Amino acid sequence: DVKVTQSSRYLVKRTGEKVFLECVQDMDHENMFWYRQDPGLGLRLIYFSYDVKMKEKGDIPEGYSVSREKKERFSLILESASTNQTSMYLCASSLDRQGSYEQYFGPGTRLTVT
Amino acid sequence: SQQGEEDPQALSIQEGENATMNCSYKTSINNLQWYRQNSGRGLVHLILIRSNEREKHSGRLRVTLDTSKKSSSLLITASRAADTASYFCATDGAYNTDKLIFGTGTRLQVFP
Repeated sequence: DVKVTQSSRYLVKRTGEKVFLECVQDMDHENMFWYRQDPGLGLRLIYFSYDVKMKEKGDIPEGYSVSREKKERFSLILESASTNQTSMYLCASSLDRQGSYEQYFGPGTRLTVT
Repeated sequence: SQQGEEDPQALSIQEGENATMNCSYKTSINNLQWYRQNSGRGLVHLILIRSNEREKHSGRLRVTLDTSKKSSSLLITASRAADTASYFCATDGAYNTDKLIFGTGTRLQVFP
């Protein structure tokens, strides 16, 4: 059974802290994605990666960076957390780059920045 | 930028009734997908329909696509309490297929 795991379900951090959100997939997928989900705004793409050490900006990359050192792992980094980054963060992976492939999602990390 | 907009934002029905959700999008697409999200969880893929298809079925799900109106609908027949969830459409772009753009979702509540 395919699986995408995220390092934490709930996370509370203070303003200014550096935050790492980890995502691991066991499906040997090329593509990985980070989204944030906020009420009334749906899912918004932060960054995606289609290969190891490759990254592409999504729609809202400001305040975030990513790292993909291994194919199965994609990390989202908040260099200096701010309260407006309080959100649900969802990681996903897909077999290939094109939108004809379904995305598999992790359970999400609910991050609160105080 | 949001590609898909779902309608209605929220829907409440009784078990056994049918639920219909609509999605409108702005630009040409190659594919449209529907996803379900149970409360506080990740999304689960339900069905994909290609731009050259008009209708697709999967179990109790029926999806239609009208590219001339840039819209799609998801019908859940004989709904169950377990269908309670949020439903999202997601589209790629005809000229930028690297990523999906998700709508804001429809919250479906099915009462026993």
